[in-house]
Amino acid sequence: GAGVSQSPSNKVTEKGKDVELRCDPISGHTALYWYRQSLGQGLEFLIYFQGNSAPDKSGLPSDRFSAERTGGSVSTLTIQRTQQEDSAVYLCASSPGTLYNEQFFGPGTRLTVL
Amino acid sequence: AQSVTQLDSHVSVSEGTPVLLRCNYSSSYSPSLFWYVQHPNKGLQLLLKYTSAATLVKGINGFEAEFKKSETSFHLTKPSAHMSDAAEYFCVVSAMDTGRRALTFGSGTRLQVQP
Repeated sequence: GAGVSQSPSNKVTEKGKDVELRCDPISGHTALYWYRQSLGQGLEFLIYFQGNSAPDKSGLPSDRFSAERTGGSVSTLTIQRTQQEDSAVYLCASSPGTLYNEQFFGPGTRLTVL
Repeated sequence: AQSVTQLDSHVSVSEGTPVLLRCNYSSSYSPSLFWYVQHPNKGLQLLLKYTSAATLVKGINGFEAEFKKSETSFHLTKPSAHMSDAAEYFCVVSAMDTGRRALTFGSGTRLQVQP
């Protein structure tokens, strides 16, 4: 079956513009995660959705970052008024549920803010 | 709170020699532990996971890891390195914290395999 997909694969934007990154999780997976991987760094947790529960937003670095998940499936990560320090690879992952923490990762979106 | 420390940012081995990537964790709860691998320009792939069953966990591509609670360690090993093992490896801890499955990645260990 299809894995986690993300779009676009690459995004170049100008400082101050808004961007939207999309994630399509594996069908049937109730948990969805967003991470950020900056150059030479590990993965930084951003936000976690589980079913219909309120998302865990504890990893979002500022109020310029937001995410939503519609219909328990597709998720969009929005970054408003982008800054150069937002340049990173944004990774999405999904998993079957809270009892199964194995996560399946998408290929990522490489964001470059000029 | 939980944390994970990968003790080496870079490890270099010769092809055919053993691999040891070290990971120590800290968690207030019984953790689940994982190793993921990231090859250049590829997505993250699960190598193996520990979820309170056998303490010695076998994964893909000949890798294994042993959960040692007394040492709070989950080191990754492989008896004989292959050139294709060159990649970035991440140790991950997941534990029930404030009612949610908080996830913490280590900073990664880059494995270099010399011919």
